Amino acid sequence: AQSVSQHNHHVILSEAASLELGCNYSYGGTVNLFWYVQYPGQHLQLLLKYFSGDPLVKGIKGFEAEFIKSKFSFNLRKPSVQWSDTAEYFCAVNANTDKLIFGTGTRLQVFP
Amino acid sequence: DTAVSQTPKYLVTQMGNDKSIKCEQNLGHDTMYWYKQDSKKFLKIMFSYNNKELIINETVPNRFSPKSPDKAHLNLHINSLELGDSAVYFCASSRKGALGYGYTFGSGTRLTVV
Repeated sequence: AQSVSQHNHHVILSEAASLELGCNYSYGGTVNLFWYVQYPGQHLQLLLKYFSGDPLVKGIKGFEAEFIKSKFSFNLRKPSVQWSDTAEYFCAVNANTDKLIFGTGTRLQVFP
Repeated sequence: DTAVSQTPKYLVTQMGNDKSIKCEQNLGHDTMYWYKQDSKKFLKIMFSYNNKELIINETVPNRFSPKSPDKAHLNLHINSLELGDSAVYFCASSRKGALGYGYTFGSGTRLTVV
């Protein structure tokens, strides 16, 4: 069965610090990978996605993620975070089914 | 224009009651979903419909009954509500065969059972 692991449950950073959130999935075949963000009290919004091509994908708000097939990973990065990036971040995977499997989420708090 | 809209946004009700949550999408998608987000923010799929046909039914108590009158609507009816049903319920939609484009989520319905 597909599964997604997010090892960082809670990350606390100061503004301008660099961010990397880990995401690993378990599935040996072709996958589609996503990062979603949920700002406090809001719904999930798509940050970026990978389904083919360049393994380094760029998303909205300066976020990027790198798909490393050999490591089954799709880590999210941002070189300099802002207070407004405070949110819950979810990695998700789809592998030839009709559903997205989500990780448990990482809570990011950014302090000014 | 709201792409995926859910009503109500908040729902507070007593144990044992029956309630419904409605979802509508105007994106022309043919697949719709219900997800439950618990107090720890964990998101778990409950149901998926494609063109009014149920295609995913995860291990959900049969007190939960989805209904899709057409491909733009997917409602969730819950009978005999229990305290453990308290959660945020998200509706989402996508195009079948194009899941690489991801889902579009509604704004969620926060259900509190007291």
